[in-house]
Amino acid sequence: SAVISQKPSRDICQRGTSLTIQCQVDSQVTMMFWYRQQPGQSLTLIATANQGSEATYESGFVIDKFPISRPNLTFSTLTVSNMSPEDSSIYLCSAPGQENTEAFFGQGTRLTVV
Amino acid sequence: GDSVTQMEGPVTLSEEAFLTINCTYTATGYPSLFWYVQYPGEGLQLLLKATKADDKGSNKGFEATYRKETTSFHLEKGSVQVSDSAVYFCALSANAGGTSYGKLTFGQGTILTVHP
Repeated sequence: SAVISQKPSRDICQRGTSLTIQCQVDSQVTMMFWYRQQPGQSLTLIATANQGSEATYESGFVIDKFPISRPNLTFSTLTVSNMSPEDSSIYLCSAPGQENTEAFFGQGTRLTVV
Repeated sequence: GDSVTQMEGPVTLSEEAFLTINCTYTATGYPSLFWYVQYPGEGLQLLLKATKADDKGSNKGFEATYRKETTSFHLEKGSVQVSDSAVYFCALSANAGGTSYGKLTFGQGTILTVHP
């Protein structure tokens, strides 16, 4: 299995500000993934973070709003920029396990924008 | 594209009742299938998985069998406990060359509440 540490675990932010979420994996992984879980909803993939290249964004998500960094094989950040109340969600990062047949998740960041 | 459909919830059961949560999928090729569980206020935990047809995943009394002919991966437990109350997500990962890269498509989730 992979142990994934994510922080902060929760935050309350003012609209118009930005928040950077950090994700640390206990082993080297080629890809990391960022998901959004809106209140009462399922998880939606925001982007795939590749080490050494730009992230690949899913339809409906753009780099200006959700810039991602991937400086090495164990770490990634997701920034939620210029926040509005609609950005209030749980944001989760994930990475494949060593067998590369399943994904493990951080505990999530519960973001509330006021 | 790939998709996962779960039975509509929420599901409310009494302790020791039998649980079934239906999950069907649409995917090209041969995806890997998963059940994740999310306890209140927590992140997602992998409950069980199956990587090829007819595989049965099992963990903590839960089981699910990968049925390619019906494109299904229904979750079952013979006797639920109050501590099983959580949200359950069915998910798939498209395989590339037999290797999953951890990119998942999720179902909408099913809220399970178990009463004493």
